[in-house]
Amino acid sequence: SAVISQKPSRDICQRGTSLTIQCQVDSQVTMMFWYRQQPGQSLTLIATANQGSEATYESGFVIDKFPISRPNLTFSTLTVSNMSPEDSSIYLCSVEIGGRTTSNEQFFGPGTRLTVL
Amino acid sequence: AQSVTQLGSHVSVSEGALVLLRCNYSSSVPPYLFWYVQYPNQGLQLLLKYTTGATLVKGINGFEAEFKKSETSFHLTKPSAHMSDAAEYFCAVSANTGFQKLVFGTGTRLLVSP
Repeated sequence: SAVISQKPSRDICQRGTSLTIQCQVDSQVTMMFWYRQQPGQSLTLIATANQGSEATYESGFVIDKFPISRPNLTFSTLTVSNMSPEDSSIYLCSVEIGGRTTSNEQFFGPGTRLTVL
Repeated sequence: AQSVTQLGSHVSVSEGALVLLRCNYSSSVPPYLFWYVQYPNQGLQLLLKYTTGATLVKGINGFEAEFKKSETSFHLTKPSAHMSDAAEYFCAVSANTGFQKLVFGTGTRLLVSP
C-alpha cells in the first residue's frame, strides 16, 4: 500500500484565480493520477502523470486549464487555472504501485475540497 | 471499453440487516473489478478486488463480493450492517490487459439506521 497526503485539504478561492494542489506519496511510484469528484458525483479521471513525461489528459480536460507537474517519483502537483464556480469539486490524487504487473489497484489521497466563489 | 452501472443511488438498511449493493459492468475483455468506500470528507479506500481465480472475494470490514461472469455482476454484500458502514460505495472496473485506467460507477450511498 501507500500513504498519500494532499495539500491543501480544502480551500475557498475567488473566480479567475489559480490553485495548485500538492500530492505526496511515502514511496516511489510510477503512475500517479488526478481525479475530479464534483458534488454528489462519481470520480472522473483528469489525467495520468508519469515521472519524466508529459501528463496524459482525458477527453474534456486540457493542459492549459489543469497543468500537472511530476518532478520525481513521490510528488505531483495539479493546478486549477482561471477558476470558475464550476470548478468547485473535490480533487483527488491516486497512485498505482507496481505498474503493469499489478491489478491496476489504485490508492487514493484524502482529497482537496475546492470551493470557487 | 469498460463501464459500470450501480443500481440505486441510495440504499437504506437497519443496523444488523443484510447489506446488498449492486454493480453491473460492461467490458470487452476480462475485467478487474473493485469496490471502494468513501467516508465523509475522506478519500477512497479499497474494500476488495477481483482479478483472477476465486470468484467470491472477501474484503475488509466483513464485506464480500462475488464475480458472476454470466450476469456481468459484482455485487457487494455484508451479512450484518453496522452504523459505521454508512458511507459512499463505488464500484470500478478496468481491463486486465496491462495498465488500464479505472472506470468508476456513480456510487451508492449506504444509510444505516439504528
